[in-house]
Parts: sequence; C-alpha cells; structure tokens
Amino acid sequence: NAGVTQTPKFRVLKTGQSMTLLCAQDMNHEYMYWYRQDPGMGLRLIHYSVGEGTTAKGEVPDGYNVSRLKKQNFLLGLESAAPSQTSVYFCASSEGKYQPQHFGDGTRLSIL
Amino acid sequence: AQSVTQPDIHITVSEGASLELRCNYSYGATPYLFWYVQSPGQGLQLLLKYFSGDTLVQGIKGFEAEFKRSQSSFNLRKPSVQWSDAAEYFCAVGAWTGANNLFFGTGTRLTVIP
Repeated sequence: NAGVTQTPKFRVLKTGQSMTLLCAQDMNHEYMYWYRQDPGMGLRLIHYSVGEGTTAKGEVPDGYNVSRLKKQNFLLGLESAAPSQTSVYFCASSEGKYQPQHFGDGTRLSIL
Repeated sequence: AQSVTQPDIHITVSEGASLELRCNYSYGATPYLFWYVQSPGQGLQLLLKYFSGDTLVQGIKGFEAEFKRSQSSFNLRKPSVQWSDAAEYFCAVGAWTGANNLFFGTGTRLTVIP
C-alpha cells in the first residue's frame, strides 16, 4: 500500500535549471496538492487539482507550473529555478475537499 | 480568509507529563479542523479531525482535541506524553464554502525529555 509517492527525494539544481517533481497516488483520490515547507512558515499551498485535467493556483504559485494529465499523477515544474525555491516540497491527495489529506514523504530541493 | 495561529514554536515536556498544544483560527463561520504530526524526514500524518457534533474528538496515539467556538480554538491534548511523541505538530483549518484548500499553522515542535 504505497499511498502517495514522491520522486525524487533529493535534488540539487543550479539557478536557471528546470526540473519536474512527480507525485503519484494509488488511492484513486480526486484532489491533489503541492505544498512547500519552509522553516517557521508551515506548509504553503502552491497549486492544487480537483480532478484529472484541472489545476488551480494556491497561495504561492509564482515560478511553478503543474499538470494533472492522469488522475493518479500530479507534476510540479520549475521552469527556471531560483535560490528562493530551495525548500521541502510535499504532495498530498484527498478523496474530496472535506476529507483528510494524505501526504508523501517530501522532496528536498536545493538551488545553488 | 482563514488563518491559523500556533503560538508556541517549541515546547519541551517530560516523559509522562501532560501536553497541550494550542491552535487558534480566524474564520467567519465554523470551520473544519485537523491536527497533523510530522516526524523528521517524513510527511504529515493525520492525528484527528473535527467536522461537527461532539466538540471533543479522539485521535490516534492517545491524542484528543477540543473545539471551542467561543475561543476560536482547537487545542490538542495528551494526558501522558511518550518519548516517541517527539515531532512537529500542525493544526489546519478548512472552509465549508469558498476556498478548496486547507490553511496550516506554522507548527509546534515537541521535545520530550526523560
């Protein structure tokens, strides 16, 4: 029972490089979310999706793009990485808006 | 917009002592609320949730929380803390109408000493 799986777990990028973080869930959940976690700031929502083919902006969407081509996958892209995007990124999924979110173990991303 | 305040950044308790972690929210109507726990290097795990009804809710690992509408609070409690409870704890609030997402507090780190 994998739940929510994030890849990669760690990554170091240089400023200006691009990359994609993958989130996969095997619970057939409709809703998926991407958060970033920074010291002293808790979790902040980047983007979310309420179903296959849909995406919406969260609290801190600038510099990120997302896609939900398949129900089980939610991709987070950084087109031109900046040091301010150094963070731990968490993906989560839920059955619906009012349901508890299930989290992956995170991706630690450092941008030099 | 909703907001969540966890006023204690770090709390240290002795093993076997009682624990209360504070959570205050700001929202114009009754929200739904969660407490999550995060162990180092891991994602968040749900401890308990409040949607409606009984204001005292029980969760996993012996935790409970009480929703107090008059104080806009949802404090987490445990009568006897174990060493394994050391972690970071997050309160989250959601709106029944409007925004689709949860708002998380900044977290309280719990240290347990023998």
